[in-house]
Amino acid sequence: GQNIDQPTEMTATEGAIVQINCTYQTSGFNGLFWYQQHAGEAPTFLSYNVLDGLEEKGRFSSFLSRSKGYSYLLLKELQMKDSASYLCAVYNFNKFYFGSGTKLNVKP
Amino acid sequence: DTAVSQTPKYLVTQMGNDKSIKCEQNLGHDTMYWYKQDSKKFLKIMFSYNNKELIINETVPNRFSPKSPDKAHLNLHINSLELGDSAVYFCASSQDLGAGRGNEQFFGPGTRLTVL
Repeated sequence: GQNIDQPTEMTATEGAIVQINCTYQTSGFNGLFWYQQHAGEAPTFLSYNVLDGLEEKGRFSSFLSRSKGYSYLLLKELQMKDSASYLCAVYNFNKFYFGSGTKLNVKP
Repeated sequence: DTAVSQTPKYLVTQMGNDKSIKCEQNLGHDTMYWYKQDSKKFLKIMFSYNNKELIINETVPNRFSPKSPDKAHLNLHINSLELGDSAVYFCASSQDLGAGRGNEQFFGPGTRLTVL
């Protein structure tokens, strides 16, 4: 089967840095996506990794290690509006497999 | 300009009824999807279509029938609704099949279905 694990919930302080981890065990791998989902809204795309290493995009960075089946999303200079769920998704054989998401609470 | 739109946003209905959810994208994408997000927030693929052809049917009960009249539309019809069908249903689209930079999915606002 396909298994994607993320912590359920995290709390961090405004202005800080937070790292959200994702581990996956899938029968194949064609890329990993991170999405942000605010409560009651649709997921929106944040980042994509297919090769090992770090992809940086403003305050958000995403890292991938294919040999370890591991990725993380790094959020810097946290803002209150970053309070949301962050979904890790692995693409494999025409399908996206999503983790259950990590709910991030940013406090003042 | 809404990229991916769904109607209705909320749907409350009785068990046993038949209902439809409509989805349209104006991005010119070839591939469209239906997802179900349950109360635990798992987003699970139900169907995907590429150029109006069914690509994935992810062991969904045959009470669920997708229809794609053209590349820009993917509707979901549900027969004999059950309590367990209560969830948020998201439509999404991507440029085409396959992963890749620039081929991320764009999601619609979701339809919250409540079956009483």
